[in-house]
Amino acid sequence: SQTIHQWPATLVQPVGSPLSLECTVEGTSNPNLYWYRQAAGRGLQLLFYSVGIGQISSEVPQNLSASRPQDRQFILSSKKLLLSDSGFYLCAWSVEQAVKNIQYFGAGTRLSVL
Amino acid sequence: AQSVTQPDIHITVSEGASLELRCNYSYGATPYLFWYVQSPGQGLQLLLKYFSGDTLVQGIKGFEAEFKRSQSSFNLRKPSVHWSDAAEYFCAVGTGGTDKLIFGTGTRLQVFP
Repeated sequence: SQTIHQWPATLVQPVGSPLSLECTVEGTSNPNLYWYRQAAGRGLQLLFYSVGIGQISSEVPQNLSASRPQDRQFILSSKKLLLSDSGFYLCAWSVEQAVKNIQYFGAGTRLSVL
Repeated sequence: AQSVTQPDIHITVSEGASLELRCNYSYGATPYLFWYVQSPGQGLQLLLKYFSGDTLVQGIKGFEAEFKRSQSSFNLRKPSVHWSDAAEYFCAVGTGGTDKLIFGTGTRLQVFP
């Protein structure tokens, strides 16, 4: 069966520090991968999605970037964190061109920028 | 552009009472519709989905949802709520082309004993 892992679960970082959040998927090949941010009291905002290695689409201009160095690995990064980067970050995957848009989510990373 | 509206930010019900969470979408063609549930500090779990066919769909945990094209709605229902249903619920629409989902802002459900 397929599983998705995100780490770390919780992270507290000072303003101006770098960020690296990792997401990996097991049990499937060539998944579509997604990064969402959920700010307090708000819905989910799609940040990036990827349909293959090295293929990243950005949905919202921001202080963050994403990379996909391996088929089942998706990394969210920042060179210098801002206070506004605080939030709950969720990674998700879906099967490429199969079961129509169903996305499966990881447990999330709670990021606090102080 | 596609959009999803969940007009109720917060709903409180008593345990055993019935529940209906509202969802309205904006999309030109027949959308793919989803309901997800998020427990505090957790990721999202798929409750149910609608792609085509029967407009009343059954999901996990005793939930169901009805697609009404004329009202552009996909409301989530449960006949008897349990305390463990307290969570945040998200409605989402998928367009099938880009494989992206557009989420509503969520409805937080509180259940009183």
